[in-house]
Amino acid sequence: EVQLVESGGGLVQPGRSLKLSCAASGFTFSNYYMAWVRQAPTKGLEWVASITNSGGSTYYRDSVKGRFTISRDNAKSTLYLQMDSLRSEDTATYYCTRETSYMGMDAWGQGASVTVSS
Amino acid sequence: DIVLTQSPALAVSLGQRATISCRASQSVSISRYNLMHWYQQKPGQQPKLLIYRASNLASGIPARFSGSGSGTDFTLTINPVQADDIATYYCQQSRESPTWTFGGGTKLELK
Repeated sequence: EVQLVESGGGLVQPGRSLKLSCAASGFTFSNYYMAWVRQAPTKGLEWVASITNSGGSTYYRDSVKGRFTISRDNAKSTLYLQMDSLRSEDTATYYCTRETSYMGMDAWGQGASVTVSS
Repeated sequence: DIVLTQSPALAVSLGQRATISCRASQSVSISRYNLMHWYQQKPGQQPKLLIYRASNLASGIPARFSGSGSGTDFTLTINPVQADDIATYYCQQSRESPTWTFGGGTKLELK
């Protein structure tokens, strides 16, 4: 069974940092692109960042470029999202997803809640 | 960037057909592939993939769900609607992969 389990969420002050992790199991992690998608309270889904299966290329939405870093450790089957210079508008539930451009995002974690507030 | 537009809400009676639409600001089709996908999200849960490439049912999804469309206009149909289907439905394009965009979501409500 494919499983994605996020951790590392919490309450953080504006301007501070937080690092999310996503532990993957039930599939060959190194074969897949992975992504983070977020959802602000009562709002819709928003793609945040993607990473190729090797980790050699990364992609970000404009509003997080230069502040967030997506990475992965294929030996540990783990995806990460380092979030720096956090803003109140980054408050959201962050989902780890497995992606293929031709088959959508076919696996999702349960989400990690991030609240940016003083 | 491709913008996806969905109606915010749709009211439907149990046992009836629900048709949810998604319009893209430009074509999301490449060759024979229509790179539009649909997700269901229930309150407090993570999204779930329902339909990929416009018309392909994801694993484990009931046959009352179906998808159609090409180019810029796409439709998710639920027929017949069951109580368990009350949720918010999102379309998503991967034409511009590896950057992705979602529609604003359509909340399916009971009439």
